[in-house]
Amino acid sequence: DGGITQSPKYLFRKEGQNVTLSCEQNLNHDAMYWYRQDPGQGLRLIYYSQIVNDFQKGDIAEGYSVSREKKESFPLTVTSAQKNPTAFYLCASRVAGGGTPREQFFGPGTRLTVL
Amino acid sequence: GEDVEQSLFLSVREGDSSVINCTYTDSSSTYLYWYKQEPGAGLQLLTYIFSNMDMKQDQRLTVLLNKKDKHLSLRIADTQTGDSAIYFCAEKGTNFGNEKLTFGTGTRLTIIP
Repeated sequence: DGGITQSPKYLFRKEGQNVTLSCEQNLNHDAMYWYRQDPGQGLRLIYYSQIVNDFQKGDIAEGYSVSREKKESFPLTVTSAQKNPTAFYLCASRVAGGGTPREQFFGPGTRLTVL
Repeated sequence: GEDVEQSLFLSVREGDSSVINCTYTDSSSTYLYWYKQEPGAGLQLLTYIFSNMDMKQDQRLTVLLNKKDKHLSLRIADTQTGDSAIYFCAEKGTNFGNEKLTFGTGTRLTIIP
């Protein structure tokens, strides 16, 4: 079945450690996104990528890094520079160009807790 | 930048209609979306409306758009316990080249038996 997978579902890390969240899609989508969700704050965009080997900062990129070496993969690294990393992280993808409404499809999310 | 606002909570009796409201600031919005998030899960697109439309109906869902007031609403008829979730409004502006969506804070819908 086509879809977006995120792993792991729950992740615990000690303060000061970098951690990488996985996002894989087999929808052949060109664009991929990372969001952070905190209670009462909705979704905030961290990074997005429209094509392989290219990505742009979103609204809250500080303390995060990404790579896009393959079309189907868009891993997110939460670095020790991120001051408040505990949150629910959502990955999304979308077909680029043409068509309407060009909705974003979401993965099931990873809940990161930093101890 | 763009801003999308929603009230955080709504409680509705089972069988009644639910109306979830959203306001946005981007006058150049092209599409507006409603997503549903069940506990511990990702977001699922419920419906969308193009900015040149006033209304869209899809089974129990009715979307109303007042472009002059930049107000969007989602009406769920005959609300059921399975409708309990967080509902997000999102808008896509004419920010060509980056295709970003701006999401609201989400409205948590609670169904009262």
